[in-house]
Formats: sequence, structure tokens, C-alpha cells
Amino acid sequence: DTEVTQTPKHLVMGMTNKKSLKCEQHMGHRAMYWYKQKAKKPPELMFVYSYEKLSINESVPSRFSPECPNSSLLNLHLHALQPEDSALYLCASSQDRPNYGYTFGSGTRLTVV
Amino acid sequence: GENVEQHPSTLSVQEGDSAVIKCTYSDSASNYFPWYKQELGKRPQLIIDIRSNVGEKKDQRIAVTLNKTAKHFSLHITETQPEDSAVYFCAAEDSGGGADGLTFGKGTHLIIQP
Repeated sequence: DTEVTQTPKHLVMGMTNKKSLKCEQHMGHRAMYWYKQKAKKPPELMFVYSYEKLSINESVPSRFSPECPNSSLLNLHLHALQPEDSALYLCASSQDRPNYGYTFGSGTRLTVV
Repeated sequence: GENVEQHPSTLSVQEGDSAVIKCTYSDSASNYFPWYKQELGKRPQLIIDIRSNVGEKKDQRIAVTLNKTAKHFSLHITETQPEDSAVYFCAAEDSGGGADGLTFGKGTHLIIQP
């Protein structure tokens, strides 16, 4: 299995809702990432997990809460989001060493209403 | 942190001609430079990458060159085809010692004119 799988593919949520995005990989990668991509913009790094521990938080608002239950799974819990949080949320994984390469999932298209 | 600049933002070429996209980066410790192609509504797809121990890498119609001294790298696509139309992103790996994620350029919208 050489893929990163993200669910759901599309999500519409209200500003008072709580929802979660899920990401799964079975390539034995020990680093996993969340990126946010707005329309016509590049992906922006949000969080990095290394060996199931949060290693990088790029000053992301607390309404986004990541979780890494095990080496294959990565979640992003969403609460009290704003319409400007609408974006494509991409998960990626890699070996936890430099120069190795990153595999991206297909993303979750999130709309906050 | 790393900063990646990418030019041009839009590039229109005739089918069959070559396309060149250029990027510069700021962190001299960065050692890994991938290029991604992203079609509308889809994930970024890795098309080629280069590590700092080589100056050039080629895969069929696609090549990447790296100048570590000048801190710039370029993507070259020859014999362009309509299916090459997409947004292309360059990136540099942040140099924290592990796999610390990628910083992307702002993207180039490549348009292949038939």
C-alpha cells in the first residue's frame, strides 16, 4: 500500500459544529503532517507528528486540534471554525528523516457555513 | 524558517515548446527540493525531486537543476503537451534535522496552448 487515505472527501459544517478529519497510511512512515490549502495558494504546513508525538505546530489556532492515536493514523479535530477556515486540508506522510520524500493524500474539502 | 520564491506565476507556452519554472530558497541548510504538479481539485503529485548532492536530474521530458551556491533550482519541461497544463509548485524541505515538512513556492500556472 503506497497511499495516504483521507476521509471524508468533502465536509460542510456549521460554526458551532464539532467534526474530525481522518488520515491513514500503511507505508510504515513515522512522520505525518497536516497542511491547509486555500484556493489558488500553496499548501501551508499546520502540524508535524514524529513517532506519534507533536513536533511542530505552526502557530495554528486552538480550534484545530491534531491527534495521532498510532503510527498509521492522524486526526484533525475541528471545533468552532470560521468561514475563513474553508479550504482543502491535506495529510501527508514520510519517513522521519530528511531527503526521503512525502506522500500526500487526496485531501478533505472543508466548507464552513 | 525557510522561504521559497517561485517565478513566473503564470506561464503560457505553445504545445511542443519548452517551459522553465524557477525557484529560490533562503535556508542554506535545506537539502531536498521536490516539484509537485496539481490539477484542479486534486492532490499535489510529485513529478521529480532533487537532493543537494546532485546538480541535475532528468526523467523523460522533465528535468530539474540545482545550484546550491546561488540557492536556486529550476524545473524544465520539454516537448510540452496539453496534459502538462496544471499548477506546479516547487518546495524545499525545512532543515530541522528530521523530516520537518515542506515550504512551498506560490505556484506557477502552466498553460499549454494547442
